[in-house]
Amino acid sequence: ETGVTQTPRHLVMGMTNKKSLKCEQHLGHNAMYWYKQSAKKPLELMFVYSLEERVENNSVPSRFSPECPNSSHLFLHLHTLQPEDSALYLCASSQEGREGDIVHFGDGTRLSIL
Amino acid sequence: GQQVMQIPQYQHVQEGEDFTTYCNSSTTLSNIQWYKQRPGGHPVFLIQLVKSGEVKKQKRLTFQFGEAKKNSSLHITATQTTDVGTYFCAAGLSSGTYKYIFGTGTRLKVLA
Repeated sequence: ETGVTQTPRHLVMGMTNKKSLKCEQHLGHNAMYWYKQSAKKPLELMFVYSLEERVENNSVPSRFSPECPNSSHLFLHLHTLQPEDSALYLCASSQEGREGDIVHFGDGTRLSIL
Repeated sequence: GQQVMQIPQYQHVQEGEDFTTYCNSSTTLSNIQWYKQRPGGHPVFLIQLVKSGEVKKQKRLTFQFGEAKKNSSLHITATQTTDVGTYFCAAGLSSGTYKYIFGTGTRLKVLA
């Protein structure tokens, strides 16, 4: 039990599909993140939300659209993805000023684009 | 932009041998964290170093933060098969930010 729950664990989708990844944290943290992990870039930061506001967007293509409706939930909406988007997508959370900003990761969603 | 490099990228060792991974930043860091990701798992926090020259130990693991706060190392003494995984450093750029830049990782394989 990591305190950060991601669903689904695995997702296979075609390039024209629309799907969403869901993340929920039960740790009372005030920041949430999306990371992409692939063989080419082991841990690539995509988005950061602090107090439900997006504070960072690392030049991620618009086919990835994050949403943070409250401090406990984070979504990643996917549409018209490319084969190179196949990767492990990790959600994480942290609390500034407590625990030294330790980042707690979820188990990830393994995404495969056909 | 800010880069955090780890060397080596891969390391295969015989069980019982020592292992070291190095983390290097192009700029001075506020702090540094280390994470371990087991095969098929997610990164899990190991330790945080804050002070210049700081050394911390966790059983067979020794973590060190450089005097200039630009580099760090993780040393494992007498590796075991349970040490298999990828070790990441995470560079804290300055206090008060949420962002840590993760290093490129070192994948350790321990041969029994």
